[in-house]
Amino acid sequence: GAVVSQHPSRVICKSGTSVKIECRSLDFQATTMFWYRQFPKQSLMLMATSNEGSKATYEQGVEKDKFLINHASLTLSTLTVTSAHPEDSSFYICSARSGFGADTQYFGPGTRLTVL
Amino acid sequence: LAKTTQPVSMDSYEGQEVNITCSHNNIATNDYITWYQQFPSQGPRFIIQGYKTKVTNEVASLFIPADRKSSTLSLPRVSLSDTAVYYCLSERDDKIIFGKGTRLHILP
Repeated sequence: GAVVSQHPSRVICKSGTSVKIECRSLDFQATTMFWYRQFPKQSLMLMATSNEGSKATYEQGVEKDKFLINHASLTLSTLTVTSAHPEDSSFYICSARSGFGADTQYFGPGTRLTVL
Repeated sequence: LAKTTQPVSMDSYEGQEVNITCSHNNIATNDYITWYQQFPSQGPRFIIQGYKTKVTNEVASLFIPADRKSSTLSLPRVSLSDTAVYYCLSERDDKIIFGKGTRLHILP
């Protein structure tokens, strides 16, 4: 149980285009989903937290107009990188949690974004 | 959220027991300690979680002393496939912040 999927697994796009990444909880309902970004040889950096049906909470320094997050259902959250630039190239990882307290997060396999 | 400190890297040999210690001096009463494993270009994988004393599952053990200011992940009889980055995190019901992790390298 507790499987989280991401789609696509990798994407290459031209500078200036927008890219949407999907995160799905396959066998549980995720009240909260998180989006992380990871650069090579570095740790995961939390970008934003989203709760189903409400606006995402962004971490300091993350542009909410550039990284659009939608958590429209209990099993799906999307991250859209708008007007992508080469510096947005990174490994994007989502995680999902079903409840509160000791309920841990389960991570997706990640999406490798390359902006040319 | 408690800041965690771990060794940057560790080397060990196949078949050995590996212990990775993490310090979390400012851990809050409601925080749980969770360890994740990450392979290159993959999302982190949950290993084990605990609040205090000892927790054991099929892959690891987690030791947390009474003051909860540190924790030790114990991997019994490691193999080459255990080469990965291991993250110690304090987790509450809001969010978790990743530290730098420990890069574990298993040698044949």
